[in-house]
Amino acid sequence: EPEVTQTPSHQVTQMGQEVILRCVPISNHLYFYWYRQILGQKVEFLVSFYNNEISEKSEIFDDQFSVERPDGSNFTLKIRSTKLEDSAMYFCASALAGGANTGELFFGEGSRLTVL
Amino acid sequence: QKEVEQDPGPLSVPEGAIVSLNCTYSNSAFQYFMWYRQYSRKGPELLMYTYSSGNKEDGRFTAQVDKSSKYISLFIRDSQPSDSATYLCAMSSAAQKLVFGQGTRLTINP
Repeated sequence: EPEVTQTPSHQVTQMGQEVILRCVPISNHLYFYWYRQILGQKVEFLVSFYNNEISEKSEIFDDQFSVERPDGSNFTLKIRSTKLEDSAMYFCASALAGGANTGELFFGEGSRLTVL
Repeated sequence: QKEVEQDPGPLSVPEGAIVSLNCTYSNSAFQYFMWYRQYSRKGPELLMYTYSSGNKEDGRFTAQVDKSSKYISLFIRDSQPSDSATYLCAMSSAAQKLVFGQGTRLTINP
Protein backbone atom coordinates (compact mmCIF):
# COMPACT_ATOMS: atom_id res chain seq x y z
CA GLU A 1 0.00 0.00 0.00
CA PRO A 2 1.46 3.38 -0.96
CA GLU A 3 2.42 5.61 1.93
CA VAL A 4 3.92 8.96 2.79
CA THR A 5 7.41 8.58 4.20
CA GLN A 6 9.23 11.13 6.33
CA THR A 7 12.82 11.53 7.44
CA PRO A 8 14.30 11.91 9.95
CA SER A 9 11.99 10.34 12.49
CA HIS A 10 13.59 12.42 15.23
CA GLN A 11 15.98 15.36 15.06
CA VAL A 12 17.56 17.22 17.94
CA THR A 13 19.02 20.63 17.16
CA GLN A 14 20.33 23.70 18.90
CA MET A 15 18.32 26.91 18.90
CA GLY A 16 19.22 29.07 15.92
CA GLN A 17 20.24 26.17 13.69
CA GLU A 18 18.65 25.39 10.34
CA VAL A 19 16.63 22.22 10.01
CA ILE A 20 15.31 20.46 6.92
CA LEU A 21 12.58 17.87 7.24
CA ARG A 22 12.02 15.60 4.27
CA CYS A 23 8.96 13.87 2.91
CA VAL A 24 8.23 11.57 -0.01
CA PRO A 25 4.52 11.92 -0.81
CA ILE A 26 2.47 9.22 -2.53
CA SER A 27 3.58 9.20 -6.15
CA ASN A 28 0.39 10.18 -7.99
CA HIS A 29 -0.72 12.78 -5.46
CA LEU A 30 -0.78 16.43 -6.45
CA TYR A 31 -1.37 18.31 -3.21
CA PHE A 32 1.17 18.42 -0.40
CA TYR A 33 0.94 19.70 3.14
CA TRP A 34 2.84 20.23 6.33
CA TYR A 35 1.08 20.12 9.67
CA ARG A 36 2.57 20.19 13.14
CA GLN A 37 1.52 18.97 16.56
CA ILE A 38 3.07 20.42 19.68
CA LEU A 39 3.00 17.88 22.50
CA GLY A 40 -0.46 17.74 24.05
CA GLN A 41 -1.93 20.20 21.55
CA LYS A 42 -3.96 20.08 18.35
CA VAL A 43 -2.68 19.17 14.94
CA GLU A 44 -2.19 22.55 13.22
CA PHE A 45 -2.01 23.43 9.55
CA LEU A 46 1.21 25.04 8.35
CA VAL A 47 1.15 25.12 4.57
CA SER A 48 -0.31 23.59 1.43
CA PHE A 49 1.54 23.27 -1.86
CA TYR A 50 0.21 22.62 -5.35
CA ASN A 51 1.62 23.04 -8.83
CA ASN A 52 5.02 24.03 -7.43
CA GLU A 53 3.79 26.88 -5.33
CA ILE A 54 2.28 27.57 -1.94
CA SER A 55 -1.51 27.63 -2.20
CA GLU A 56 -2.24 28.51 1.41
CA LYS A 57 -0.29 29.09 4.61
CA SER A 58 -1.12 29.73 8.22
CA GLU A 59 0.06 32.50 10.53
CA ILE A 60 2.56 30.05 11.99
CA PHE A 61 4.30 29.76 8.62
CA ASP A 62 6.36 32.93 8.82
CA ASP A 63 9.57 33.95 7.03
CA GLN A 64 11.55 31.37 9.00
CA PHE A 65 9.73 28.57 7.19
CA SER A 66 9.98 27.52 3.56
CA VAL A 67 8.92 24.55 1.48
CA GLU A 68 10.31 23.10 -1.68
CA ARG A 69 9.71 20.24 -4.07
CA PRO A 70 13.22 20.02 -5.45
CA ASP A 71 13.04 16.96 -7.67
CA GLY A 72 9.47 15.85 -8.33
CA SER A 73 9.44 13.26 -5.56
CA ASN A 74 10.65 14.92 -2.36
CA PHE A 75 8.84 17.66 -0.47
CA THR A 76 10.84 19.50 2.16
CA LEU A 77 10.16 21.85 5.04
CA LYS A 78 13.02 24.13 6.06
CA ILE A 79 13.17 26.09 9.29
CA ARG A 80 15.92 28.67 8.92
CA SER A 81 16.66 29.55 12.53
CA THR A 82 14.93 27.25 14.96
CA LYS A 83 13.35 28.49 18.18
CA LEU A 84 12.46 26.54 21.29
CA GLU A 85 8.77 26.80 20.39
CA ASP A 86 9.39 25.02 17.10
CA SER A 87 9.74 21.77 19.05
CA ALA A 88 6.88 19.61 17.77
CA MET A 89 5.96 16.62 15.65
CA TYR A 90 5.84 17.68 12.00
CA PHE A 91 3.55 15.73 9.71
CA CYS A 92 3.72 15.70 5.95
CA ALA A 93 0.55 14.81 4.05
CA SER A 94 -0.49 14.40 0.45
CA ALA A 95 -3.77 14.16 -1.44
CA LEU A 96 -5.20 13.45 -4.83
CA ALA A 97 -6.96 16.24 -6.68
CA GLY A 98 -10.37 15.67 -5.13
CA GLY A 99 -9.01 14.76 -1.74
CA ALA A 100 -7.59 18.20 -1.13
CA ASN A 101 -11.03 19.64 -0.47
CA THR A 102 -12.70 16.56 0.98
CA GLY A 103 -10.01 16.12 3.61
CA GLU A 104 -8.81 12.78 2.28
CA LEU A 105 -5.25 13.43 3.25
CA PHE A 106 -2.67 10.73 3.73
CA PHE A 107 -0.28 11.51 6.54
CA GLY A 108 3.24 10.31 7.18
CA GLU A 109 4.39 9.06 10.57
CA GLY A 110 5.90 12.39 11.45
CA SER A 111 9.31 13.89 12.23
CA ARG A 112 9.84 14.82 15.84
CA LEU A 113 11.87 18.01 16.17
CA THR A 114 13.44 18.88 19.50
CA VAL A 115 15.05 22.30 19.80
CA LEU A 116 17.41 22.77 22.76
CA GLN B 1 -15.15 30.44 21.12
CA LYS B 2 -12.71 27.90 19.70
CA GLU B 3 -13.21 27.02 16.04
CA VAL B 4 -13.42 23.28 16.78
CA GLU B 5 -13.97 21.82 20.23
CA GLN B 6 -13.51 18.20 21.20
CA ASP B 7 -13.42 16.64 24.65
CA PRO B 8 -9.89 15.21 25.06
CA GLY B 9 -11.10 12.46 27.41
CA PRO B 10 -9.64 10.02 28.23
CA LEU B 11 -12.57 7.74 27.51
CA SER B 12 -12.43 4.11 28.65
CA VAL B 13 -15.12 1.55 27.75
CA PRO B 14 -15.42 -2.25 27.83
CA GLU B 15 -15.00 -4.31 24.69
CA GLY B 16 -18.23 -4.58 22.72
CA ALA B 17 -19.63 -1.26 23.91
CA ILE B 18 -20.93 1.44 21.58
CA VAL B 19 -18.66 4.46 21.62
CA SER B 20 -19.84 7.97 20.86
CA LEU B 21 -17.31 10.70 20.04
CA ASN B 22 -18.32 14.29 19.35
CA CYS B 23 -17.12 17.67 18.19
CA THR B 24 -18.71 21.08 18.00
CA TYR B 25 -17.62 23.91 15.77
CA SER B 26 -18.31 27.57 15.26
CA ASN B 27 -17.41 28.25 11.63
CA SER B 28 -20.48 28.04 9.37
CA ALA B 29 -18.23 27.82 6.30
CA PHE B 30 -17.14 24.28 7.12
CA GLN B 31 -18.57 21.84 4.59
CA TYR B 32 -16.31 18.80 4.86
CA PHE B 33 -16.12 16.82 8.08
CA MET B 34 -13.59 14.11 8.79
CA TRP B 35 -12.66 11.67 11.49
CA TYR B 36 -9.06 10.61 11.76
CA ARG B 37 -7.60 7.93 14.00
CA GLN B 38 -4.13 8.36 15.44
CA TYR B 39 -2.23 5.57 17.12
CA SER B 40 0.60 6.45 19.46
CA ARG B 41 3.66 7.80 17.61
CA LYS B 42 1.92 7.53 14.24
CA GLY B 43 0.38 10.00 11.82
CA PRO B 44 -3.38 10.58 11.59
CA GLU B 45 -5.21 8.05 9.43
CA LEU B 46 -8.48 9.00 7.72
CA LEU B 47 -11.42 6.94 8.95
CA MET B 48 -14.39 8.69 7.40
CA TYR B 49 -15.38 11.88 5.72
CA THR B 50 -18.79 13.44 5.17
CA TYR B 51 -19.87 16.31 3.01
CA SER B 52 -22.47 18.65 4.51
CA SER B 53 -25.16 17.17 6.77
CA GLY B 54 -26.28 13.58 7.12
CA ASN B 55 -25.05 10.15 8.10
CA LYS B 56 -22.42 7.89 6.63
CA GLU B 57 -21.80 4.30 7.61
CA ASP B 58 -18.74 2.16 7.03
CA GLY B 59 -18.70 -1.18 8.78
CA ARG B 60 -18.74 -0.61 12.52
CA PHE B 61 -18.30 3.15 12.11
CA THR B 62 -21.04 5.75 11.60
CA ALA B 63 -20.39 9.45 11.12
CA GLN B 64 -23.14 12.02 11.65
CA VAL B 65 -23.14 15.70 10.81
CA ASP B 66 -25.75 18.17 12.04
CA LYS B 67 -24.88 21.50 10.46
CA SER B 68 -27.84 23.28 12.07
CA SER B 69 -26.39 22.49 15.50
CA LYS B 70 -22.75 22.64 14.35
CA TYR B 71 -22.22 19.20 15.84
CA ILE B 72 -20.59 16.07 14.46
CA SER B 73 -20.40 12.58 15.89
CA LEU B 74 -18.61 9.31 15.32
CA PHE B 75 -20.15 6.09 16.60
CA ILE B 76 -18.20 2.86 16.93
CA ARG B 77 -20.27 -0.30 17.30
CA ASP B 78 -18.97 -3.53 18.83
CA SER B 79 -15.79 -1.78 19.93
CA GLN B 80 -12.57 -3.78 19.89
CA PRO B 81 -9.30 -3.34 21.82
CA SER B 82 -7.68 -2.53 18.45
CA ASP B 83 -9.91 0.57 18.30
CA SER B 84 -7.92 2.05 21.19
CA ALA B 85 -6.39 5.22 19.79
CA THR B 86 -6.85 8.98 19.71
CA TYR B 87 -9.72 10.08 17.47
CA LEU B 88 -9.44 13.47 15.83
CA CYS B 89 -12.28 15.34 14.21
CA ALA B 90 -11.28 17.68 11.40
CA MET B 91 -13.12 20.12 9.19
CA SER B 92 -12.59 22.28 6.16
CA SER B 93 -14.37 24.80 4.01
CA ALA B 94 -13.43 24.89 0.34
CA ALA B 95 -9.99 26.03 1.47
CA GLN B 96 -6.96 23.80 1.57
CA LYS B 97 -6.46 23.55 5.28
CA LEU B 98 -7.99 21.18 7.78
CA VAL B 99 -8.90 22.44 11.24
CA PHE B 100 -8.52 19.70 13.83
CA GLY B 101 -10.09 19.15 17.20
CA GLN B 102 -8.01 18.36 20.24
CA GLY B 103 -8.51 14.62 19.84
CA THR B 104 -10.22 12.17 22.23
CA ARG B 105 -8.07 9.40 23.69
CA LEU B 106 -10.11 6.18 23.66
CA THR B 107 -9.26 2.91 25.42
CA ILE B 108 -11.26 -0.27 24.83
CA ASN B 109 -10.77 -2.69 27.71
CA PRO B 110 -10.86 -6.45 26.94
